[in-house]
Order: sequence, then C-alpha cells, then structure tokens
Amino acid sequence: AQSVSQHNHHVILSEAASLELGCNYSYGGTVNLFWYVQYPGQHLQLLLKYFSGDPLVKGIKGFEAEFIKSKFSFNLRKPSVQWSDTAEYFCAVTAANQAGTALIFGKGTTLSVSS
Amino acid sequence: KAGVTQTPRYLIKTRGQQVTLSCSPISGHRSVSWYQQTPGQGLQFLFEYFSETQRNKGNFPGRFSGRQFSNSRSEMNVSTLELGDSALYLCASSPDGLGNQPQHFGDGTRLSIL
Repeated sequence: AQSVSQHNHHVILSEAASLELGCNYSYGGTVNLFWYVQYPGQHLQLLLKYFSGDPLVKGIKGFEAEFIKSKFSFNLRKPSVQWSDTAEYFCAVTAANQAGTALIFGKGTTLSVSS
Repeated sequence: KAGVTQTPRYLIKTRGQQVTLSCSPISGHRSVSWYQQTPGQGLQFLFEYFSETQRNKGNFPGRFSGRQFSNSRSEMNVSTLELGDSALYLCASSPDGLGNQPQHFGDGTRLSIL
C-alpha cells in the first residue's frame, strides 16, 4: 500500500534559520511528488511538485525539494525561514500517469517560526 | 479565475442524521476529489469523480457517497452520522485528474457531530 511518512511532527525555528523537513514514501511504481502548505486559516496550497527530470525542484517563496529515488525521499528545504512561513506542511504522492489517482498525504509537519 | 468553492463552510449535526456537502470546481476542471482531514488521521482520500463517474474510492464505509453533475459540480453525502465523522472535508479539483496535475483545494466544510 502507498504511504507517506513525515519525520517531524512539530518544528520550531527562529527567523533566518535553515529548514529541512523530511519526507519518505512507499510506492512500487513511478510517482509524482508534491509539497502542500496550509497557512493558518487558509486552504491547502501547492508549494512545489516533482514529476520527472531534474530531481531538485524549486517552488514558491524560496522553497526547494530534492527527490532521491534510491532513498524514496523528497525532503523540503529553505535556506532562511521567515515568520510568515509558520504553517503546516504536507508531503504527498500520487501514482504517475494514472487517471483518478488519489493524493496520499503524510501526517503533516507544523512549522512555528519565532521572530 | 475563481478557486474551488465549498458550501457550507460549517455544519453542526447530530448522530444519526445525514448531510450533503457541495463543491464547485475551478472552471474547466472536470476532476473532483474529496478528502477528510482529522487531527488523528490527517488527510485521507474519499473518492474521485470525472465526467459524472466515480473512478477511484478510498477506504471509507458505504455511508460516504458522492456524485458529480454534468457541470462538474460535486456533492458528497454522509448518512447515519457518527461522532467520528467530525472533520474538515476538503474538495480538490484538477483538469483531468491525472497524477501529474496538481490538485487545487477549497477552504473545506467543517462538520461537527454532536
């Protein structure tokens, strides 16, 4: 069965600190990978996505993620976080090239950034 | 372009009742998916509809059902409500529901069961 594991439940950082959120997935075929963010009081928004090609993908607001196929990982990074990055972050996977495929989400990581 | 619209935003029901939630996808999007979000289980896939047909279904009891209309709007119905059905129900749309199309989410309907 497909599954996504996010290593950190709650991360607390000071502004300007670097961020890395871990994500590992379990799936036997080709996958598409996503990071979504949910700011307080807002809906889930796409942060970045990986379908194929360069394993290092860049998203909005200075976030990037690296797909390491051999490790089944898709970790999210940001060199310097801001107070406005306080949010819940979700890693998700879908089966590639499959119609009607479901997004399988990790349990989420709450990021709290203090100014 | 208007985003995904879900109505109502909040609902309070009692055990045993049934409820219908509505979702209007982004214009031009034909795939609509539904998810349940709870603190304990996180985000879980309920089902996906495309061209009025359910193409995929998650591991939820038959009390959870849905449908899609010819204009791509979708409804989700939960019958015989249980306390454990209290959750945020999210709707997401994409053009064709392919795995390489990011899904766009609505604000959700928060359902509380008393």
